[in-house]
Amino acid sequence: NAGVTQTPKFQVLKTGQSMTLQCAQDMNHNSMYWYRQDPGMGLRLIYYSASEGTTDKGEVPNGYNVSRLNKREFSLRLESAAPSQTSVYFCASTESGTSGLREQYFGPGTRLTVT
Amino acid sequence: QKEVEQNSGPLSVPEGAIASLNCTYSDRGSQSFFWYRQYSGKSPELIMFIYSNGDKEDGRFTAQLNKASQYVSLLIRDSQPSDSATYLCAVSSTDSWGKLQFGAGTQVVVTP
Repeated sequence: NAGVTQTPKFQVLKTGQSMTLQCAQDMNHNSMYWYRQDPGMGLRLIYYSASEGTTDKGEVPNGYNVSRLNKREFSLRLESAAPSQTSVYFCASTESGTSGLREQYFGPGTRLTVT
Repeated sequence: QKEVEQNSGPLSVPEGAIASLNCTYSDRGSQSFFWYRQYSGKSPELIMFIYSNGDKEDGRFTAQLNKASQYVSLLIRDSQPSDSATYLCAVSSTDSWGKLQFGAGTQVVVTP
């Protein structure tokens, strides 16, 4: 049982390049989330998927797109990377999309640098 | 704008002492409250959650919730060097589809 996995662990991009961050969970969770974490700013929600087939914007969605490929997988795409997107990206999942009572489980993170 | 506020620290605590961390939130509709611990370079991991007013204890950790005053706190008793980490407060509400609003975190440093 791997929990939440993310690939890659590290990535360096040049401004304007594109890439996709992959996330998968094996806990049969309905809801999945993408966060970014910047120094001194905590975790900010980029996009989330309450259930398979649905996605919605979070607090900081500009410059990103997501795909909920199936129940297990939720990817985050940067179409044209900018230095402001340098951050640590975390994927998380939780059992239910309708209750706030459930713990979110986090992946190990992707450290992205855009030069 | 819903906000979750924490003192950034660092909070320096002697080994064996009690560490007290506070968190205030602005959304009165908030229902569930979580404390996550994050070691440097690692992902957040859940320590405790609480959703009823009062205290909830789990080992050396106690979470305290006061919805009227809109604050939640975390006490760490008998602090150990392994407790040195950043502690994130997270808040959800019933209409949030499981979404969490995180504070910026409080860095705790336990000194031997």
